[in-house]
Amino acid sequence: DSGVTQTPKHLITATGQRVTLRCSPRSGDLSVYWYQQSLDQGLQFLIQYYNGEERAKGNILERFSAQQFPDLHSELNLSSLELGDSALYFCASSARDSLSSYEQYFGPGTRLTVT
Amino acid sequence: GDSVTQMEGPVTLSEEAFLTINCTYTATGYPSLFWYVQYPGEGLQLLLKATKADDKGSNKGFEATYRKETTSFHLEKGSVQVSDSAVYFCALSDGVTGGGNKLTFGTGTQLKVEL
Repeated sequence: DSGVTQTPKHLITATGQRVTLRCSPRSGDLSVYWYQQSLDQGLQFLIQYYNGEERAKGNILERFSAQQFPDLHSELNLSSLELGDSALYFCASSARDSLSSYEQYFGPGTRLTVT
Repeated sequence: GDSVTQMEGPVTLSEEAFLTINCTYTATGYPSLFWYVQYPGEGLQLLLKATKADDKGSNKGFEATYRKETTSFHLEKGSVQVSDSAVYFCALSDGVTGGGNKLTFGTGTQLKVEL
């Protein structure tokens, strides 16, 4: 158990809908990362937040957005869903955004199926 | 940009065989290197890491050495067990202070160990 929790575990929804994925980082971790794992794209970085502020952006679609709240939990919002958005979405956390700490700890993931 | 190349799988070995999974990387800075493992139906677990050239990361009998001259970080284990069956991901972190430290992953190598 990494200490990172994600809800829900599974999500099935229809095209055009909007969903919210939730992540709680390890206790004390300030950085939260979102990754997408799909068969065709592999594991791809989406976005990072550090202590409530966006720190880095990857290949995140404009239909997707995220935020980190004062209690440090994060939400990833996916809207106007398409079949191709079906994937495993992982959240990870790390202690700090500094040279001394690059270890990221991953949650169990949310499996999104768009029908 | 940064990239990680892993040997294609699946790799099938007999129990107690020697394991090598090759990983090479391309990065502009001085990245930290990681191996993550994903067991069926689970999230990613950090297996080992190395943060500078010639560092050797080790854990649970696995080891990998950060080779800057060959830009490689090959994973090895002297004697694999059936319980090692999983997908192994090589990853790098770009090491830019304050610029986020997203992970760039290879495509993953599936390992199957048989009795």
